[in-house]
Amino acid sequence: QSALTQPPSASGSPGQSVTISCTGTSSDVGGYNYVSWYQQHPGKAPKLMIYEVSKRPSGVPDRFSGSKSGNSASLTVSGLQAEDEADYYCSSYVDNNVLFGGGTKLTVL
Amino acid sequence: EVQLLESGGSLVQPGGSLRLSCAASGFTFSSYAINWVRQAPGKGLEWVSAISPSGDATLYADSVKGRFTISRDNSKNTVYLQMNSLRAEDTAVYYCARWVNYYDYWGQGTLVTVSS
Repeated sequence: QSALTQPPSASGSPGQSVTISCTGTSSDVGGYNYVSWYQQHPGKAPKLMIYEVSKRPSGVPDRFSGSKSGNSASLTVSGLQAEDEADYYCSSYVDNNVLFGGGTKLTVL
Repeated sequence: EVQLLESGGSLVQPGGSLRLSCAASGFTFSSYAINWVRQAPGKGLEWVSAISPSGDATLYADSVKGRFTISRDNSKNTVYLQMNSLRAEDTAVYYCARWVNYYDYWGQGTLVTVSS
């Protein structure tokens, strides 16, 4: 299977909202509610931000939200803060495999 | 506190072998699947391999199938990744992560460099 498709970059000013898309197929994103999102700061391990499309782990600010429509999922970061600047990866379980998106670099202007 | 700690990464020549370890603590290790995910320098995340809680089921990405072997020792709370016939394109930071239909905990990673 091919990797999921994410825009390479996204940006917004502090306080604004930004949405990052993740496009797959009916065999992965569209076929399972196992889409998750990870935040990665430079030199650090990825951190779970959203799981099962729209659920937020304990400790993740409610500024982060997830959704899915058809074969595409989205991560929205509201009220952007400087510490949100990082790489974001979507992921989907698919038939004994795990796919990742190519990653989106979020810049807070 | 859940912790995953990778070790074993180093510089190895093409065609060589290496064994990575992932030591876990803070949870009932034998109840969880563990995966290896790697990240080449400046690149994105790539799933590598997975092992079931009991160790009786394993999965591999096509890029490593036949060269890498995942195993676990539940008495030692440790997962291993035996990597043989290493290639330059295997150069990456290798992370182990706990799988619960998503990755809820990750280790800090260990760097594998394949170069002559």
